[in-house]
Amino acid sequence: ETGVTQSPTHLIKTRGQQVTLRCSSQSGHNTVSWYQQALGQGPQFIFQYYREEENGRGNFPPRFSGLQFPNYSSELNVNALELDDSALYLCASSVGQGEKLFFGSGTQLSVL
Amino acid sequence: AQSVSQHNHHVILSEAASLELGCNYSYGGTVNLFWYVQYPGQHLQLLLKYFSGDPLVKGIKGFEAEFIKSKFSFNLRKPSVQWSDTAEYFCAVKGSGGGADGLTFGKGTHLIIQP
Repeated sequence: ETGVTQSPTHLIKTRGQQVTLRCSSQSGHNTVSWYQQALGQGPQFIFQYYREEENGRGNFPPRFSGLQFPNYSSELNVNALELDDSALYLCASSVGQGEKLFFGSGTQLSVL
Repeated sequence: AQSVSQHNHHVILSEAASLELGCNYSYGGTVNLFWYVQYPGQHLQLLLKYFSGDPLVKGIKGFEAEFIKSKFSFNLRKPSVQWSDTAEYFCAVKGSGGGADGLTFGKGTHLIIQP
């Protein structure tokens, strides 16, 4: 067990809709990052939050946004969903900006 | 842009065979290197990491990896695999400057160990 939980486990949306994915980190982990894993690919970095501020971002458009809360929970929001957004979304937490990431089991998003 | 290449997408071995999974990276600077593993039905978890110092690093469950800077490689090895090593293995790289740029993962290697 990593102590990182994600919800929901599966989600089906329609193109153009908006979605919110949630993550609950271990107590004391003040850094959370989100990754997108398409089928047959490795995880791809979306962005990172440290103490409730975004402090790093991968090659993803602004319609991917996030929030981090003081209670070690966080959200990934995706607007104007596209078919290519269908993927497994992983949340990972760490202490500070440490290198050992603790991953959740992911949310499988299908966009139809 | 940084990238990671894993040579084999699928590897099938018999128990007790030796294992080597290849990983090459491209990055314009000093790096931190990682191997993550995902066992069936479980979360991604850290297997081992290299930051600096001895280029031969040891991880959990008898795995080790060697950083060869001149070859931009970080291959994963295990002398004798077990059925329980069946999993997906991911090599990853990150710049060592302490920035918040996330990990860059390879596409993964699906390892199947036959009893």
